[in-house]
Amino acid sequence: EPEVTQTPSHQVTQMGQEVILRCVPISNHLYFYWYRQILGQKVEFLVSFYNNEISEKSEIFDDQFSVERPDGSNFTLKIRSTKLEDSAMYFCASSEAGYHYGYTFGSGTRLTVV
Amino acid sequence: EDKVVQSPLSLVVHEGDTVTLNCSYEVTNFRSLLWYKQEKKAPTFLFMLTSSGIEKKSGRLSSILDKKELFSILNITATQTGDSAVYLCAVAIIQGAQKLVFGQGTRLTINP
Repeated sequence: EPEVTQTPSHQVTQMGQEVILRCVPISNHLYFYWYRQILGQKVEFLVSFYNNEISEKSEIFDDQFSVERPDGSNFTLKIRSTKLEDSAMYFCASSEAGYHYGYTFGSGTRLTVV
Repeated sequence: EDKVVQSPLSLVVHEGDTVTLNCSYEVTNFRSLLWYKQEKKAPTFLFMLTSSGIEKKSGRLSSILDKKELFSILNITATQTGDSAVYLCAVAIIQGAQKLVFGQGTRLTINP
């Protein structure tokens, strides 16, 4: 069964450092998403991406966040200057087309900012 | 503000019991309601519901949506220890692109 692959599975970084979280969506999917889940809290929407541009972003997704699809297969989330409160599980997801289909989530990257 | 509320937050039952998990929502631009099972990491898809009153079934799991009363239930019959997980309800809304608004989850523990 096709999978969404995320790397690394766990990343520890110092406050103020830049991190890049990587995702390989399912190959025929067109819509890509990042969500995050702070420990013990709800899964929260960060950003959706379609046709090489952001289609929607939440208020969490401020100027320190950016997304990119650099080479047609990878989908990355960059956090420019990490803060302690960025510590969370970050999930990438993809869907085949718009709203008729459920998402497939990746297994997540646990980001720990120290 | 779009809101999804699940109840109970936590449930402990014995193997073989039947459980009902609840999800209510208040959102604009509703598109569908989805149930996910989260064991260790990634939520895994269970059901997507778009129409009221039509039960979706997969083995011992079933779910139904009531768009008039704005809620959904997830039933699990003859529970097994492998059903222990956090069950997430999410509502897909359309604001430009689709996004999911999640509830806080129900932690289900099945004791042998």
